[in-house]
Amino acid sequence: EAQVTQNPRYLITVTGKKLTVTCSQNMNHEYMSWYRQDPGLGLRQIYYSMNVEVTDKGDVPEGYKVSRKEKRNFPLILESPSPNQTSLYFCASSLGGRASYEQYFGPGTRLTVT
Amino acid sequence: GIQVEQSPPDLILQEGANSTLRCNFSDSVNNLQWFHQNPWGQLINLFYIPSGTKQNGRLSATTVATERYSLLYISSSQTTDSGVYFCAVPLTPGTASKLTFGTGTRLQVTL
Repeated sequence: EAQVTQNPRYLITVTGKKLTVTCSQNMNHEYMSWYRQDPGLGLRQIYYSMNVEVTDKGDVPEGYKVSRKEKRNFPLILESPSPNQTSLYFCASSLGGRASYEQYFGPGTRLTVT
Repeated sequence: GIQVEQSPPDLILQEGANSTLRCNFSDSVNNLQWFHQNPWGQLINLFYIPSGTKQNGRLSATTVATERYSLLYISSSQTTDSGVYFCAVPLTPGTASKLTFGTGTRLQVTL
């Protein structure tokens, strides 16, 4: 089954404790991205990747890191999480970033930073 | 950037009723998607519909790109249809780059 998976689905952590949210897709997609969703602010893009080893900032990259060492994986790293990073996070992928392809979203990761 | 507006913002239906959700966008697009965010927060792809009409069971969607709107029809609504419905278009037309989401229509289907 074609899908985007994220882990963990739920996470409660404390300020400053490094964490990684994994994202994996099995569709051989080139384009992957991360969004966060907050009440009243909608979905905002954090980082995106056009292909392996090619990443770029979205609208709200501060406090986050990403890497794209393999085509299928695009982990989101919070090196020193803070309470303002409490949010619902989505990973997304599409066939490519230079044409209009359908984007597929993972199930979401609900992160709480205390 | 492109603006995406959805209406109505909130909708309450009795089970079995039909509804139409609207998405207006401010610039030409060649990629539009409809999503359903269920009460558990999951974003579920409903339609990828740059133009024309598509149907999937009780749901159908129509996009009239020249007039800059899309409609999502829900027929014979069920309680499982509850949640928030978003339309989304690429910020940059012609690419799959960052999606700009509408503000959503919150649907509640009651028994």
